[in-house]
Amino acid sequence: DAGVIQSPRHEVTEMGQEVTLRCKPISGHDYLFWYRQTMMRGLELLIYFNNNVPIDDSGMPEDRFSAKMPNASFSTLKIQPSEPRDSAVYFCASSPWRDSNQPQHFGDGTRLSIL
Amino acid sequence: ELKVEQNPLFLSMQEGKNYTIYCNYSTTSDRLYWYRQDPGKSLESLFVLLSNGAVKQEGRLMASLDTKARLSTLHITAAVHDLSATYFCAVDMYSRRDDKIIFGKGTRLHILP
Repeated sequence: DAGVIQSPRHEVTEMGQEVTLRCKPISGHDYLFWYRQTMMRGLELLIYFNNNVPIDDSGMPEDRFSAKMPNASFSTLKIQPSEPRDSAVYFCASSPWRDSNQPQHFGDGTRLSIL
Repeated sequence: ELKVEQNPLFLSMQEGKNYTIYCNYSTTSDRLYWYRQDPGKSLESLFVLLSNGAVKQEGRLMASLDTKARLSTLHITAAVHDLSATYFCAVDMYSRRDDKIIFGKGTRLHILP
């Protein structure tokens, strides 16, 4: 199994630009999660999907952030316009159905720097 | 609101010593996870604890869960340098209306050779 695949691994862009992060979950996993990790705030859940449907987006910081999951094998997290305070590592994770007692499997993350 | 507190947040210890990391949470939960993160790397699942009294061991690491006290511990026995990492606990409330997984802030463990 290839695991959760995220791209790009690193992204450096200027403030105001649109940023799109991509995630391919493990095949057969019903749940997909987007997290943001910073030194100050730790690991924060931004949004999660069940069977491609957003369930809880209460962690999305503001309207500049949006996430989609058009099919079971692909999700995007978009920031538009980006700001320096968005600099962080963004992780995608997936898991089987919620009562399977299985942990989340994390991707390698995207390290985002907004200049 | 569910809160998950880990302590200590930083720990520097000598090889060969034993120590315990604590994870307290503020409300009832269904499951508790422990993860390990190496610098610049992703999170790796260590343990899934499902019920009161659950104990799991892998090598020099042992995790336990006391749901009545709302406490989980991660015990390190005879620490070795390779265990240096950041350890996170995460509390899962999937069967509740406020279905969430909340992570602690992590314990950065540095083991001195």
